[in-house]
Amino acid sequence: QVHLVQSGAEVKKPGASVKVSCKTSGDTFTGYYIHWVRQAPGQGLEWMGWINPDSGTTNYAQKFQGRVTMTRDTSISTAYMELRSLKCDDTALYYCARVGYMEWFDPWGQGTLVTVSS
Amino acid sequence: QSALTQPASVSASPGQSITISCTGTSSDVGGYNYVSWYQQHPGKAPKVMIYDVSHRPSGVSNRFSGSKSGNTASLTISGLQAEDEADYYCSSYRSSSTLDVVFGGGTKLTVL
Repeated sequence: QVHLVQSGAEVKKPGASVKVSCKTSGDTFTGYYIHWVRQAPGQGLEWMGWINPDSGTTNYAQKFQGRVTMTRDTSISTAYMELRSLKCDDTALYYCARVGYMEWFDPWGQGTLVTVSS
Repeated sequence: QSALTQPASVSASPGQSITISCTGTSSDVGGYNYVSWYQQHPGKAPKVMIYDVSHRPSGVSNRFSGSKSGNTASLTISGLQAEDEADYYCSSYRSSSTLDVVFGGGTKLTVL
């Protein structure tokens, strides 16, 4: 069974950066895309982008281009999402999810709460 | 990127059926048969309930079904049960070249 385990909660000040990790187990890391989705408190799901762990190719939602970088380390089956120039409204639960080519999001990580506050 | 349009809330009594709509455009919902639906209980990660418009993953109750007509996809839950009370989100691919994804704004289902 595939599991995605994310890093722990973070508290950051405005203008700082955060890097969230997503470690996969139970299946081939390079066989699926890893997507990142965030959810602000009381709000809906917002797609941020994906990384192809096999090639390292990325695609970011227009809203986050220039501010987000997704990377991976295949030796430890871990994907990363770094968000820079944090603002208070970046406070959200950040999820990673495994996705086949043009397929559905399954499974999801447990989520990482990022709080941005001065 | 505009989100797909879902009703903010729906409610019904146990045993009844409900349908949640998800309206997009010919560039997303109408253009691909890759609509999926997710259930999210408070404090939990989303769980896929329907994929590729109308397919159910193993383990998902057959009370859940999906369909699509034009630019609108729908999720139907029949024989409502208390545990169905949750938030529901649709999603679709928006571009086959860059694999952009878009989510709906979410629908809160209340089982009365």
